[in-house]
Amino acid sequence: GAVVSQHPSRVICKSGTSVKIECRSLDFQATTMFWYRQFPKQSLMLMATSNEGSKATYEQGVEKDKFLINHASLTLSTLTVTSAHPEDSSFYICSGNNNYGYTFGSGTRLTVV
Amino acid sequence: AQSVTQLDSQVPVFEEAPVELRCNYSSSVSVYLFWYVQYPNQGLQLLLKYLSGSTLVKGINGFEAEFNKSQTSFHLRKPSVHISDTAEYFCAVTRGVQAGTALIFGKGTTLSVSS
Repeated sequence: GAVVSQHPSRVICKSGTSVKIECRSLDFQATTMFWYRQFPKQSLMLMATSNEGSKATYEQGVEKDKFLINHASLTLSTLTVTSAHPEDSSFYICSGNNNYGYTFGSGTRLTVV
Repeated sequence: AQSVTQLDSQVPVFEEAPVELRCNYSSSVSVYLFWYVQYPNQGLQLLLKYLSGSTLVKGINGFEAEFNKSQTSFHLRKPSVHISDTAEYFCAVTRGVQAGTALIFGKGTTLSVSS
């Protein structure tokens, strides 16, 4: 079946640094990639939607300059958390979409210290 | 805008008992509906989905769900649960039926199966 590989699975970074999270669709072309954020014991909150070769569409309240999304190809999308702060610590999950199939990555646990 | 309400935040149940996890949604447009399961520190695994056709949908691991348009519900059921079913379950709806539409999630239901 369809697989989305998400890396890294865990990352700890210092406050003020940037972190890049990568999602690759391994056996299908993800025309659209979604990025979610999940706080402990809570639901997934949609952060942004990106289409290959286009600028991402951010949800209300999500800072586009802080969460940089790049969808350079049909198999690769990246989320860069810039100038990370402790409040950015969370579980980030990507989802590749192709014809109403949504395939989720395994998530990235970001801890900012 | 779409919204999803999972009516139970926690559902404790004994092994081999039946279970129902309730999900209601609100939308002014047609939607597609999904149920996902999440194990700790992992991504989401699709249990089942409703796009069209028969309102009773069968999924993996013995789960099924019924789409009720008049009640805007999509409840998940399993006739006999196992310890391994202990996990977080999310109901989700699409924002519409156009290609590339996002999924909007409910807050989740924690299913705890004990012996």
